[in-house]
Amino acid sequence: DAGVTQSPTHLIKTRGQQVTLRCSPKSGHDTVSWYQQALGQGPQFIFQYYEEEERQRGNFPDRFSGHQFPNYSSELNVNALLLGDSALYLCASSLPGKTYEQYFGPGTRLTVT
Amino acid sequence: KNEVEQSPQNLTAQEGEFITINCSYSVGISALHWLQQHPGGGIVSLFMLSSGKKKHGRLIATINIQEKHSSLHITASHPRDSAVYICAVRTDNTDKLIFGTGTRLQVFP
Repeated sequence: DAGVTQSPTHLIKTRGQQVTLRCSPKSGHDTVSWYQQALGQGPQFIFQYYEEEERQRGNFPDRFSGHQFPNYSSELNVNALLLGDSALYLCASSLPGKTYEQYFGPGTRLTVT
Repeated sequence: KNEVEQSPQNLTAQEGEFITINCSYSVGISALHWLQQHPGGGIVSLFMLSSGKKKHGRLIATINIQEKHSSLHITASHPRDSAVYICAVRTDNTDKLIFGTGTRLQVFP
């Protein structure tokens, strides 16, 4: 079992561009949550996907959107990138009915220049 | 004021020392998590607590619901324990985690 995987590992983008980050959950997990972790800070909840729908959302603007596919993998899209979007983006997955127990991926480090 | 506060922010120790990291929260919670994050980003879940105390190897986590406080203890610390330790709470009736800013621990040989 590969655990939660994320791609790419690192990414450099320019202000105004759009980015797509990808997450494959741990085998058997159906719920995916996305977090943003700025340097020196704790992760901040972006949103959670279950059954291909956004189930909960944190305090992030509409520039942040996502998608979940039938195989439970997920994408995080960020439009009109700002310098402040530079962060580590973490994905976490959980078992059906056990969203209290999340398994985290290694993260994607996004740098916006 | 953050809903989850950790102390200290940074901690250095000599190998073998007993370590304590504290977490206080101001919201109603259904569970509290202690997580470990190594350089490079990957997060590993250490404990999930809703009451009392849990032990895993050299790690011990306690929670006092009335005082809204939790502690993570590391006995006989080792350089491989060097990491950022993060406290996160799951609020009542949601699946969202609210994270503290983490405690950076460095253990020197």
